[in-house]
Amino acid sequence: GENVEQHPSTLSVQEGDSAVIKCTYSDSASNYFPWYKQELGKRPQLIIDIRSNVGEKKDQRIAVTLNKTAKHFSLHITETQPEDSAVYFCAASQGWPNAGKSTFGDGTTLTVKP
Amino acid sequence: DVKVTQSSRYLVKRTGEKVFLECVQDMDHENMFWYRQDPGLGLRLIYFSYDVKMKEKGDIPEGYSVSREKKERFSLILESASTNQTSMYLCASSKQGSGANVLTFGAGSRLTVL
Repeated sequence: GENVEQHPSTLSVQEGDSAVIKCTYSDSASNYFPWYKQELGKRPQLIIDIRSNVGEKKDQRIAVTLNKTAKHFSLHITETQPEDSAVYFCAASQGWPNAGKSTFGDGTTLTVKP
Repeated sequence: DVKVTQSSRYLVKRTGEKVFLECVQDMDHENMFWYRQDPGLGLRLIYFSYDVKMKEKGDIPEGYSVSREKKERFSLILESASTNQTSMYLCASSKQGSGANVLTFGAGSRLTVL
């Protein structure tokens, strides 16, 4: 089955700095790579995703890059703010009939210091 | 506008008790999932369902069963609770088709087994 490794497990940055979280996956059939953010005491929520036919995707201060050859993808957050502090999970999944059967990384706890 | 509702936020049960965790979604999603979340271990898939009365094992199904009698409802059952099942349980749903991979999570059910 799919195996997703996520690094680092904890990350502390100063407000305004950039943060990068990296994930690797094992199954070359995976073609969808979402990132979820989970604030303390709340449910995980999708913040950005990328499909295998795209190398990079941006949404304001957040970007995700994908290298299918190397089987790794990364989350980049620029100009970090205290409200970015949360646990971030990467995931990998395939299309139908396995769609939605996502395998998650172990999570990265990001702390943004004011 | 809560879309995935888990009936119990906190439960305390005794070893050997039968435990029911209920999940209801109002988005007419075909796919429903039960994940278990433990610190440092990410989200691990217990069971999922693509249709009414259909179920598939995830990565850690041992000690659990599920029921999906109606499209909107997916129940997780612990036949005989054990202390190692103390955890946060997250229900999620997604639709089939091009958006099938995006998961919408419930708020979670924190189970403590004494």
